[in-house]
Amino acid sequence: DIQMTQSPASLSASLGETVTIECLASEDIYSNLAWYQQKPGKSPQLLIYYANSLNDGVPSRFSGSGSGTQYSLKINSLQSEDVSIYFCQQNYDSPLTFGGGTKLELK
Amino acid sequence: EVQLVESGGGLVQPGASLKLSCVASGFTFSDYWMSWVRQTPGKTMEWIGDIKYDGSYTNYAPSLKNRFTISRDNAKSTLYLQMSNVRSEDTATYYCTTRTNWFAYWGQGTLVTVSS
Repeated sequence: DIQMTQSPASLSASLGETVTIECLASEDIYSNLAWYQQKPGKSPQLLIYYANSLNDGVPSRFSGSGSGTQYSLKINSLQSEDVSIYFCQQNYDSPLTFGGGTKLELK
Repeated sequence: EVQLVESGGGLVQPGASLKLSCVASGFTFSDYWMSWVRQTPGKTMEWIGDIKYDGSYTNYAPSLKNRFTISRDNAKSTLYLQMSNVRSEDTATYYCTTRTNWFAYWGQGTLVTVSS
């Protein structure tokens, strides 16, 4: 199985700040990576797919990058509504696997 | 508007069986692969498995394939998850999702609690 290691596990940041979340795959996943946002009490929502493609309706302050085994999610100008848990997920090989999640809170 | 509505969760005893349902609307259900994903109380996400749009193929997480079965009824736009011999570690919120290359749409989830 491909292991997805996310860091940090939790993150506290101020409004307007830029934050970055990392995801490390145990082998090359050739950009077959998605990021999901899960707001408190809600279902996950697809943010980014193929490592850097923004899903419809997602604000442009979100961006994804990376290749090979290393990927990141960047949130520019943090807003209060960005308080969530963020997950990465690889779609390269079965079984599909998720990172452990990053809980983003406001400072 | 795409809607996925899960049901069938609840409190169940260890060793019992349970069948979850997911009713889909707002899209042509029979055109889409579908998946089940679960989230533990500690927020860990786990893919359970997929089913092809016509129900002719399924793929499961190896750790679950002997106890969980995914099926669908395209006439009813409904996805199912049959769970057998449930264990305490199966306690989770169960989500149905559309499955293109990604989990694009999610239901609200149904909570399954395994406890005596």
